Amino acid sequence: GAVVSQHPSRVICKSGTSVKIECRSLDFQATTMFWYRQFPKQSLMLMATSNEGSKATYEQGVEKDKFLINHASLTLSTLTVTSAHPEDSSFYICSARADRVVSYEQYFGPGTRLTVT
Amino acid sequence: GQNIDQPTEMTATEGAIVQINCTYQTSGFNGLFWYQQHAGEAPTFLSYNVLDGLEEKGRFSSFLSRSKGYSYLLLKELQMKDSASYLCAVRDLSGGYNKLIFGAGTRLAVHP
Repeated sequence: GAVVSQHPSRVICKSGTSVKIECRSLDFQATTMFWYRQFPKQSLMLMATSNEGSKATYEQGVEKDKFLINHASLTLSTLTVTSAHPEDSSFYICSARADRVVSYEQYFGPGTRLTVT
Repeated sequence: GQNIDQPTEMTATEGAIVQINCTYQTSGFNGLFWYQQHAGEAPTFLSYNVLDGLEEKGRFSSFLSRSKGYSYLLLKELQMKDSASYLCAVRDLSGGYNKLIFGAGTRLAVHP
């Protein structure tokens, strides 16, 4: 149990276009999902916390108009990178926290490798 | 603010024991996690400590001292497949949000 999927696993897009990444919790409900970005040989940087039915909470320095987050249901959150530029090329990872009474663990998706040319 | 420090790289020999240290400073501490991450893959959960002491799980053990802001991950009977990055992460409740903040990770290389 506790599987999180991401789609697509890899995407290449041209500069100026938008890319949507989906994150799904397959066998549990997740009121809260998180989006991270990871550059090569660096750690995961939290971008935003996605809350079902409300606006996402963005970390300092993350542009909310550039990285659009939608948490449409208890099992789906999407991240849209708008007007992508080469510097947005990175590994994007989502994670979900299960809505259990006692829950401390976050389950991570397999990640999406974005390359902007 | 938050600050999590761990060594950048470590090397060890197959069959040996290695200890990866992590120190942290955070205002809303609510637990410390260790994750393993192989290159190009998502992190996988290893351990969780919220109270002081040692948690043992097979070949892996994790220790926490909240008063010292210190944790370590102990890997025994090292195997080649243990070569990976090990991420220390702190759950932070400051600001009213429950979020996981990661350290930079320690790249462990296990050699024969």
